[in-house]
Amino acid sequence: DAMVIQNPRYQVTQFGKPVTLSCSQTLNHNVMYWYQQKSSQAPKLLFHYYDKDFNNEADTPDNFQSRRPNTSFCFLDIRSPGLGDAAMYLCATSRVAGVIYEQYFGPGTRLTVT
Amino acid sequence: LAKTTQPISMDSYEGQEVNITCSHNNIATNDYITWYQQFPSQGPRFIIQGYKTKVTNEVASLFIPADRKSSTLSLPRVSLSDTAVYYCLVGDVWSGNTGKLIFGQGTTLQVKP
Repeated sequence: DAMVIQNPRYQVTQFGKPVTLSCSQTLNHNVMYWYQQKSSQAPKLLFHYYDKDFNNEADTPDNFQSRRPNTSFCFLDIRSPGLGDAAMYLCATSRVAGVIYEQYFGPGTRLTVT
Repeated sequence: LAKTTQPISMDSYEGQEVNITCSHNNIATNDYITWYQQFPSQGPRFIIQGYKTKVTNEVASLFIPADRKSSTLSLPRVSLSDTAVYYCLVGDVWSGNTGKLIFGQGTTLQVKP
């Protein structure tokens, strides 16, 4: 089945130690998104790629970076994780075509910062 | 992007119909209304989307009045497995737009036996 895959599902990192979360998709969608979701809060969009074009949200901290080497893969890099960055990180994809679109979300990576 | 307002929580019983209303007073002409469902420790899942009047699929119905300032998600005969957070989103989904989603607070639906 076509899907959005996130690895790992659970990630533990130390305060200040860089960490990379990965997302892959078999849907061949041209848009990929990264969201941060903290406990009992709604998902918050960090940035998205439309093909190779990177779109950063205005309030996304510089500590968060992203890479999209090809259509299928997208990475979230947290350069110096703080305790406040502990959250679920969700990757999503969508196909820009026509009026109706929907975003397909992966299962998320739960990041713990110690 | 239009701001949405939903009830924070709702309770229901198995077999009942549940209606969750979302207010979006500043909806723009090009905006569509979309609802997502999220179970704990999972990513959100698309439920339904509409522009005006009524839309129905195998999961839910979406009612949108003529002024489009609100919408109601209707879940027929809910079961325990429908316990989840339901998000109402409003945004421009015309071709060429990357469809940025801004999630509001969502409504936590608790279905009881």
